[in-house]
Amino acid sequence: AQSVTQLDSQVPVFEEAPVELRCNYSSSVSVYLFWYVQYPNQGLQLLLKYLSGSTLVESINGFEAEFNKSQTSFHLRKPSVHISDTAEYFCAVSGADSSYKLIFGSGTRLLVRP
Amino acid sequence: DVKVTQSSRYLVKRTGEKVFLECVQDMDHENMFWYRQDPGLGLRLIYFSYDVKMKEKGDIPEGYSVSREKKERFSLILESASTNQTSMYLCASSSPGVLWQPQHFGDGTRLSIL
Repeated sequence: AQSVTQLDSQVPVFEEAPVELRCNYSSSVSVYLFWYVQYPNQGLQLLLKYLSGSTLVESINGFEAEFNKSQTSFHLRKPSVHISDTAEYFCAVSGADSSYKLIFGSGTRLLVRP
Repeated sequence: DVKVTQSSRYLVKRTGEKVFLECVQDMDHENMFWYRQDPGLGLRLIYFSYDVKMKEKGDIPEGYSVSREKKERFSLILESASTNQTSMYLCASSSPGVLWQPQHFGDGTRLSIL
């Protein structure tokens, strides 16, 4: 079985500062890893994903995440955040053998202050 | 763009009522999902359907049932609503395939049981 741990429930940060949202997973099989973002009063949107290949994946709005198999981590980073990045971020994992089923972490609320 | 529409954004019901939450997707996706989102717990899968009239229990199916009579519509049913079912409910859909396919989410229904 897979599980996901997001260590920080809330991360406050000033605008233009860098940020890292932490995600660790456990699994006995090969995994796919994802970050989803939820803006206020909206559903979840896929931010980025790791399926295979390069361990560093990027999104179109400047976020990146690195798959670290030895540390079983998939931390999300952005070098300079904007007010509009304020949202809740969910890390998720699925087994490569049952890719339809996602296991979500508890979420991290990113609060960007001016 | 994929559109997943949940019929109500906010719903207030009383304990013991039978409650229907409706979800419609417009992309001819085979897979549909119902999740429950609670603070500090992330998203938890209630039920999954991979075809018309086909369903599988997720991680927390107790107190819920589902119906999928048409490919585009997936209904979540609370047979006898209880206060501990007060939550945000999210519907999602995806297309099956050899490679991983993203889940597309609706905006959610915030359900309050009084």
